[in-house]
Amino acid sequence: AQRVTQPEKLLSVFKGAPVELKCNYSYSGSPELFWYVQYSRQRLQLLLRHISRESIKGFTADLNKGETSFHLKKPFAQEEDSAMYYCAPGADKLIFGTGTRLQVFP
Amino acid sequence: EAQVTQNPRYLITVTGKKLTVTCSQNMNHEYMSWYRQDPGLGLRQIYYSMNVEVTDKGDVPEGYKVSRKEKRNFPLILESPSPNQTSLYFCASSPWGEGLNEQYFGPGTRLTVT
Repeated sequence: AQRVTQPEKLLSVFKGAPVELKCNYSYSGSPELFWYVQYSRQRLQLLLRHISRESIKGFTADLNKGETSFHLKKPFAQEEDSAMYYCAPGADKLIFGTGTRLQVFP
Repeated sequence: EAQVTQNPRYLITVTGKKLTVTCSQNMNHEYMSWYRQDPGLGLRQIYYSMNVEVTDKGDVPEGYKVSRKEKRNFPLILESPSPNQTSLYFCASSPWGEGLNEQYFGPGTRLTVT
């Protein structure tokens, strides 16, 4: 069965601390992998995708095919990173995780 | 401005009264999709469409219908709404080419069925 697990519902850190949002997935074949972010009162938007291998707003995500994980990382969190983050693998359709709320305190 | 629009943004209705939530995009995207977002469950896909006249079920299609007669529009139809369809609904679109691309989301429609 296709499934995405984001084990942390809430992750709270202080500004400047490293952040890792975990994502484990089960998906047949070789899906594309995405992280989406939803800031307060804004639309859901793409943060980054695996195939582009970009660093967006200081975030990176490493694919571990053996563990089927796609954890999102940032070395130094900023207050403006506070948002809801969703991991989403997909081929013809996206499967979203339940999301992790990141709170960055000053 | 390139965007996905949904109407209405808020809707309160009663059980059994048919309703339609419209979704429109002006980016000439082939792929369109509907999701519902519920607390603790994240986003779950209801239906998706890879092009005109092509639709397919997502993970939670029961109680919903869609149509894709034009490329820009992808309405979501609830023939007989029930309280368990109270949710926040999102429409999204993306170009389609060699698999999934970035999805552009609408602002959401908050539906309450009493």
